[in-house]
Amino acid sequence: AQKITQTQPGMFVQEKEAVTLDCTYDTSDPSYGLFWYKQPSSGEMIFLIYQGSYDQQNATEGRYSLNFQKARKSANLVISASQLGDSAMYFCAMREGGQAGTALIFGKGTTLSVSS
Amino acid sequence: DSGVTQTPKHLITATGQRVTLRCSPRSGDLSVYWYQQSLDQGLQFLIQYYNGEERAKGNILERFSAQQFPDLHSELNLSSLELGDSALYFCASSPPLQFGGYTFGSGTRLTVV
Repeated sequence: AQKITQTQPGMFVQEKEAVTLDCTYDTSDPSYGLFWYKQPSSGEMIFLIYQGSYDQQNATEGRYSLNFQKARKSANLVISASQLGDSAMYFCAMREGGQAGTALIFGKGTTLSVSS
Repeated sequence: DSGVTQTPKHLITATGQRVTLRCSPRSGDLSVYWYQQSLDQGLQFLIQYYNGEERAKGNILERFSAQQFPDLHSELNLSSLELGDSALYFCASSPPLQFGGYTFGSGTRLTVV
C-alpha cells in the first residue's frame, strides 16, 4: 500500500491566488513527521515545511501552511498568493517512527503551474 | 549551497559499465540517504547509512551498493548499468536528532546510453 498519496498529477493556478496541494498518508506509528519539498525545473530539492504528529498547531512558513488533519491522515500544503516562481513539482514526504535518522518516504508529486 | 555536496553533477556512460557517485554530508550530520528519481517519478529510497553502518535498505538493486567512510562521506556504486538506470540520484543527510531536518544535495544526473 502507498504510504504517501498525492492524487493531483498537475495543478494550475493564476498569480496571486491560493492553491492547495493534497497529500494523504498511511502509518500505524503514532510518532511521525510530514514534510513538503519543492523541486523546480533545475532539479534541486528545496525544503518547505514540516509538521510533527504531536504538533497541536498547523505549521506555517511564510506563504506556505500545512493543513494537518490527523484523523483523516491528510497533510495538505496551502500556498497563498501564488507567484510565477512557485511553478515546480511539489513532493509530500513522511518520516515514520521516533528514532533519529529515519528515511523519508515520498509521494509521486504534484506539478504546479502558475500563470500570469 | 545546501551543505550536502554531490559529485559529479552529470555523468554519461554506456550500458554494462560501472560508476561511482559521491556524497559529502552536511557538517555534523551522521545519516546519509540515497534516493533515485527516474523521469517524472517521485524519489525512491535506496539505502541509508548512519555513522558508517548500514541502517536501512529500500528498493536498492543487487547491482547497486553503497558505503559510508570514516569521514562520513558516502559512495553509491552502480554496476552493470542498464538504460533504465538513467535517473537523478540524490543524497541527503540528517543530524542525530529526532526532529532534525533532511538536507538534499543537488543530485547527480546519470544518463546510460
